[in-house]
Amino acid sequence: LAKTTQPISMDSYEGQEVNITCSHNNIATNDYITWYQQFPSQGPRFIIQGYKTKVTNEVASLFIPADRKSSTLSLPRVSLSDTAVYYCLVGDWLTGGGNKLTFGTGTQLKVEL
Amino acid sequence: NAGVTQTPKFQVLKTGQSMTLQCAQDMNHNSMYWYRQDPGMGLRLIYYSASEGTTDKGEVPNGYNVSRLNKREFSLRLESAAPSQTSVYFCASRPDRSTYEQYFGPGTRLTVT
Repeated sequence: LAKTTQPISMDSYEGQEVNITCSHNNIATNDYITWYQQFPSQGPRFIIQGYKTKVTNEVASLFIPADRKSSTLSLPRVSLSDTAVYYCLVGDWLTGGGNKLTFGTGTQLKVEL
Repeated sequence: NAGVTQTPKFQVLKTGQSMTLQCAQDMNHNSMYWYRQDPGMGLRLIYYSASEGTTDKGEVPNGYNVSRLNKREFSLRLESAAPSQTSVYFCASRPDRSTYEQYFGPGTRLTVT
């Protein structure tokens, strides 16, 4: 399983763009990168997934360089409601070999006024 | 759609007691998962069921058993509860191998005294 490393915490202010980087040096060829968000006392919520280059949806963007050894989740113009823990997961589910994805401890993002 | 539902929401057990955590999803998803989350930690996979009729161990299966009763329901049983099993338990489901998106339930907060 590819091990991931994220910052433990980040602080930001409302209206700013936040970039959370995840390091996954031993990512395998079939592994995908997935990000989840978790609010206190709730289950995680899927944000975005990608394999390479850039993926964008209505919530966030995911940037993956050519070597795929890291990825960056970008949250545009954050608000107080984006205060949460963000998890980076790396694994292979499409070919059936990666059911055992691990969440790690995540990055606690705190957004202030 | 109710999504993923879990019962009970809260439970207090004495050491040695047994109980079953119930999980159901109404999204016709193939795969279902049980995680535990200890304070300040990420989620750890206990057991999963890739499809109806199959179950497999995750990262921390000791002390637990599961049953995939049908496509909708996936239960987690603690035969003899221990204080180390005090945690928040999340159930999740995933449509199929084409997506990395899991849908999580609201969690069950279990305390073992």
